[in-house]
Amino acid sequence: GQQLNQSPQSMFIQEGEDVSMNCTSSSIFNTWLWYKQDPGEGPVLLIALYKAGELTSNGRLTAQFGITRKDSFLNISASIPSDVGIYFCAGRGGTSYGKLTFGQGTILTVHP
Amino acid sequence: DVKVTQSSRYLVKRTGEKVFLECVQDMDHENMFWYRQDPGLGLRLIYFSYDVKMKEKGDIPEGYSVSREKKERFSLILESASTNQTSMYLCASSHSGRALYNEQFFGPGTRLTVL
Repeated sequence: GQQLNQSPQSMFIQEGEDVSMNCTSSSIFNTWLWYKQDPGEGPVLLIALYKAGELTSNGRLTAQFGITRKDSFLNISASIPSDVGIYFCAGRGGTSYGKLTFGQGTILTVHP
Repeated sequence: DVKVTQSSRYLVKRTGEKVFLECVQDMDHENMFWYRQDPGLGLRLIYFSYDVKMKEKGDIPEGYSVSREKKERFSLILESASTNQTSMYLCASSHSGRALYNEQFFGPGTRLTVL
């Protein structure tokens, strides 16, 4: 199947720092999504991107849909302890039924 | 709010047992999905269903089967559990179509251990 490469695999930062993570694909996607998974819970959708070049914010989170449609990034500004968790990117190509391909995840640890 | 529930949060089974994982959604979603999550591998799609009694293989269907007899319920079945099926299993559902409110909503997951 399609492959998504997400980096970095893990990050250890101090509270207040900004965070950046990205995903690249060998294939073109029509939709990019970013999910966050808190410990012991299922992933929750943070941001959805539907157009190449689109830049979307959700509070301290900003994500962009790459112009080539093969990449996306997520930035978190002024991190706080509750930002801890696993962040996943996901892409959807031309398939029907909403089938997604997920990245490997970025484990974020925030030290107070 | 959309709610996706899974029958168990934690499950311990023995090798060779038949295992049923149940997922129920309350938003009348057409699509339902089963994933497994393993460290460093992200979420991998096992099976999905786009309508009652309809099912499609995902990327890793071997050793699994599914059942969707009612729109709100999607079951994952391990016919003969093996230790390499120890994992976190996540169920998700969505409407059809491309829009923010049609994206996948996840249940809390079932952590399955096969001894």
